[in-house]
Amino acid sequence: AQSVAQPEDQVNVAEGNPLTVKCTYSVSGNPYLFWYVQYPNRGLQFLLKYITGDNLVKGSYGFEAEFNKSQTSFHLKKPSALVSDSALYFCAVRDPAGASKIIFGSGTRLSIRP
Amino acid sequence: DAGVIQSPRHEVTEMGQEVTLRCKPISGHNSLFWYRQTMMRGLELLIYFNNNVPIDDSGMPEDRFSAKMPNASFSTLKIQPSEPRDSAVYFCASSLTKAFFGQGTRLTVV
Repeated sequence: AQSVAQPEDQVNVAEGNPLTVKCTYSVSGNPYLFWYVQYPNRGLQFLLKYITGDNLVKGSYGFEAEFNKSQTSFHLKKPSALVSDSALYFCAVRDPAGASKIIFGSGTRLSIRP
Repeated sequence: DAGVIQSPRHEVTEMGQEVTLRCKPISGHNSLFWYRQTMMRGLELLIYFNNNVPIDDSGMPEDRFSAKMPNASFSTLKIQPSEPRDSAVYFCASSLTKAFFGQGTRLTVV
């Protein structure tokens, strides 16, 4: 069964510093991996995805994520945090075999202090 | 495309009443998902459809919950009878590869 874990409920970073939001996954075969962001009272917005190819994927708003197959991780990163990056971030995994479900992690609240 | 459209945006109902949530997916998408979001449980997958066929409903909490997808452009999630613990934000999402989410329905059962 596929699963995804976000070990940190909250990450606090000073504006201008680099940020990392952690995600690990479990799925049979090669996964589809996603990051989404949720602002208050809004739906989830897509940030980036890994399907195949380069392990470093770039997405919206300057975010990037690195797929590490040996560590089954897909951590979200940004070189320089902005206060406006403060939001709830979700990692998600999909088994590409067949008509599969998309499972989300528990979410990590990112707080960027000025 | 207008994206995934959910209605209503907000619903307040009394315990015991029937509630129907509606979703119009993005045209051409072949998968549709219903999720529930609460502070305690986070984002839970309730059920998903592929090509209008329910594939996995193991996340549906009780028999009070049911979902249908009569055609490729419409899905409903029904709760009957509703209970206060059903209060949550319910999201619909559609997908080819990545999921596109609607704005959600905030359900309050009093």
